[in-house]
Amino acid sequence: AQTVTQSQPEMSVQEAETVTLSCTYDTSESDYYLFWYKQPPSRQMILVIRQEAYKQQNATENRFSVNFQKAAKSFSLKISDSQLGDAAMYFCAYRSPDSTGANSKLTFGKGITLSVRP
Amino acid sequence: DAGVTQSPTHLIKTRGQQVTLRCSPKSGHDTVSWYQQALGQGPQFIFQYYEEEERQRGNFPDRFSGHQFPNYSSELNVNALLLGDSALYLCASSLDRSTEAFFGQGTRLTVV
Repeated sequence: AQTVTQSQPEMSVQEAETVTLSCTYDTSESDYYLFWYKQPPSRQMILVIRQEAYKQQNATENRFSVNFQKAAKSFSLKISDSQLGDAAMYFCAYRSPDSTGANSKLTFGKGITLSVRP
Repeated sequence: DAGVTQSPTHLIKTRGQQVTLRCSPKSGHDTVSWYQQALGQGPQFIFQYYEEEERQRGNFPDRFSGHQFPNYSSELNVNALLLGDSALYLCASSLDRSTEAFFGQGTRLTVV
């Protein structure tokens, strides 16, 4: 079974600074998808960024980028130019591909609470 | 375009009762998944419905059951509620064979 570990329960960053959130995972599969989700107090999970394991290039979405180290099974999220609206819980998630192409389940880590200091 | 909508937003039930939660997927989506998120934890997969059939199931007891209707909306039913069932229940919809799931705002269930 796949597992996702987020060992930092909380982090804090100064507005406009850069912060990196860590995530490790365990799997025996060679192809899979990794995600970072943001959950603000409104409770709705919002997709921040995704990475396909077969792609060597790290994904980037505006101020958000990942450092994907497949051999080390590490998938960290870097937030640049942090904004007050970035304050939320962030979850790392794993999804294995299904041979039929079906949309399989997400396995989440425990999450990290990010606070942004003005 | 309405996203994923869940109802109700909050619910209080007594131990032993039964509860039904509802989810309307994003327009065009045919797959619905349900997750349980305990306080301070990550979501745990309950089950997934596609074409009105349960396609995958997580490690949850049979007290948890579901249904998907022809319009792709879905219900989650929990029987014989326990205090430990208190959690945020999230619904996620997706298009089969796509990589992205869209989540609703969840239903906060409190069992007293």
